[in-house]
Amino acid sequence: KNQVEQSPQSLIILEGKNCTLQCNYTVSPFSNLRWYKQDTGRGPVSLTIMTFSENTKSNGRYTATLDADTKQSSLHITASQLSDSASYICVVSADNDYKLSFGAGTTVTVRA
Amino acid sequence: DADVTQTPRNRITKTGKRIMLECSQTKGHDRMYWYRQDPGLGLRLIYYSFDVKDINKGEISDGYSVSRQAQAKFSLSLESAIPNQTALYFCATSDWGVETQYFGPGTRLLVL
Repeated sequence: KNQVEQSPQSLIILEGKNCTLQCNYTVSPFSNLRWYKQDTGRGPVSLTIMTFSENTKSNGRYTATLDADTKQSSLHITASQLSDSASYICVVSADNDYKLSFGAGTTVTVRA
Repeated sequence: DADVTQTPRNRITKTGKRIMLECSQTKGHDRMYWYRQDPGLGLRLIYYSFDVKDINKGEISDGYSVSRQAQAKFSLSLESAIPNQTALYFCATSDWGVETQYFGPGTRLLVL
């Protein structure tokens, strides 16, 4: 069964600091990996998408990395802001399946 | 995303009642999806539709039914609601592939 595991489950950081979220997956054959941001009370919004051949992708202060050999991805948030407080969800799709595999998410709280 | 709307946003109902959640989109996408989100779990697919005449079960379709009334409308019904259907429900749309899914704001359902 395709699985996506995220760590940590939650974290608290001070405004201006950096943090890194982890995602491990067993989805095979791999097609692509996305990171979504979900604000409280809102639906998830796509931040980045990476295919097998890409090992890094940035979107402003968000930088995602992918190691397809070890089936690991990370999302790095630089110089965090209060608006970064949200749940970050790792989503992986298989090459032969229309369905997506969702991680449970990491809840990030940024404090002033 | 304002292009995908869900009604109602919040609903409290009693066990055994029939309830319908509605989703509308103005993105012109053919593909629509219904997910549920529970604390500590990733989003799980309930049903998906690739066009008006195409309806498919997801991984947790038992107890749910759907109707694709038009390209822009996809409704989810709980024929006889039970407490373990208490969850956050999301509708999503995508273009030709599942490359990026656009989520509605969610419906928070409480079954007493």
